[in-house]
Amino acid sequence: GENVEQHPSTLSVQEGDSAVIKCTYSDSASNYFPWYKQELGKGPQLIIDIRSNVGEKKDQRIAVTLNKTAKHFSLHITETQPEDSAVYFCAARDGSSNTGKLIFGQGTTLQVKP
Amino acid sequence: DAGVIQSPRHEVTEMGQEVTLRCKPISGHDYLFWYRQTMMRGLELLIYFNNNVPIDDSGMPEDRFSAKMPNASFSTLKIQPSEPRDSAVYFCASTYRLTYYEQYFGPGTRLTVT
Repeated sequence: GENVEQHPSTLSVQEGDSAVIKCTYSDSASNYFPWYKQELGKGPQLIIDIRSNVGEKKDQRIAVTLNKTAKHFSLHITETQPEDSAVYFCAARDGSSNTGKLIFGQGTTLQVKP
Repeated sequence: DAGVIQSPRHEVTEMGQEVTLRCKPISGHDYLFWYRQTMMRGLELLIYFNNNVPIDDSGMPEDRFSAKMPNASFSTLKIQPSEPRDSAVYFCASTYRLTYYEQYFGPGTRLTVT
């Protein structure tokens, strides 16, 4: 089955700096890679996603890149702000099923220092 | 739409008691997922339903856990008898097959078993 590894587990940056979180996956059949942001006391919220036919996607200060050959994808946050502080999860759609089942990484706690 | 609704938001119970968690998915969504989140194990998929039918329950820890979806707008996750190691945050998420990639999470139920 699919396995998703996420690094780093914690990340601390200064406000205004960039943050990068990386994930690798094992199943070459996976074709969808979402990123979720979880704030304290809340459920994960989808912030950006990428499909396997695209190499990069941007949405304002956040971007995601995908390298299918190497089976890794990354989240990039530029000009970080204190409100970006949260836990971020990457996920990969289980390629063996046709049901949208997601396999999640272990999460990265991002702290943006003012 | 109000989003995915979960109740209760917090539950404290004694070991051995029965616990029932409830979820109302987003109207029109035909997939429903139950997750458990702990510091040690991260976000784990317990079970998911398609059109009210359980598809994959391989993540259910043991026979003490059971889940039902009697109709398209309601699902329950039951633990009987509960144990301290069941303490976690339980999330429900839903999605729709035509946009089946995007899972929408509820706010979660924080369960504490003493």
